[in-house]
Amino acid sequence: NAGVTQTPKFQVLKTGQSMTLQCAQDMNHEYMSWYRQDPGMGLRLIHYSVGAGITDQGEVPNGYNVSRSTTEDFPLRLLSAAPSQTSVYFCASSYSGLSGANVLTFGAGSRLTVL
Amino acid sequence: QQPVQSPQAVILREGEDAVINCSSSKALYSVHWYRQKHGEAPVFLMILLKGGEQKGHEKISASFNEKKQQSSLYLTASQLSYSGTYFCGTPRAGNMLTFGGGTRLMVKP
Repeated sequence: NAGVTQTPKFQVLKTGQSMTLQCAQDMNHEYMSWYRQDPGMGLRLIHYSVGAGITDQGEVPNGYNVSRSTTEDFPLRLLSAAPSQTSVYFCASSYSGLSGANVLTFGAGSRLTVL
Repeated sequence: QQPVQSPQAVILREGEDAVINCSSSKALYSVHWYRQKHGEAPVFLMILLKGGEQKGHEKISASFNEKKQQSSLYLTASQLSYSGTYFCGTPRAGNMLTFGGGTRLMVKP
């Protein structure tokens, strides 16, 4: 099992460019999410999905777009990259747990630099 | 609202103990703990449930005080492999987690 696969691992963009971070999971998890990690800020939720065709905003959604057409894939689109979006991005998948929050399985991360 | 972790960083010698705290301003029903080693993805450690028992993982245990709205992670007889950043997470809408800012733990020989 590959778990959660993210591509690319590294990316450099110029301000204003657009790009898509890919995320795929093979665990048949219903939930998928995107977090960004910045020094001292922990992990902040960007967008999440509770199933195919259903997405919702997290804490820091501005400048990002998502869609979920299949259970397996959850791409994150940067519409017009800004230097403030320089960060490490983690995709995670999970299934519904009993504790009111799911146990997350993270991908290896994508390091994005916007010049 | 993001939970608050303290301390922000800890440096230990092998064999020493450490405590990492996680506090929330809102009522908690569960607290999740994750560890992230340098350059890697965060990995789930344990869940503390309201009214549940103290959980353990290796020589790492945790407690959850619902009244005080806080959880503490106890690392006993630290090993080099315990080095990394520890995050607590609290439930939010959509069965997702809101994470604290993290506590960097460095264990030296």
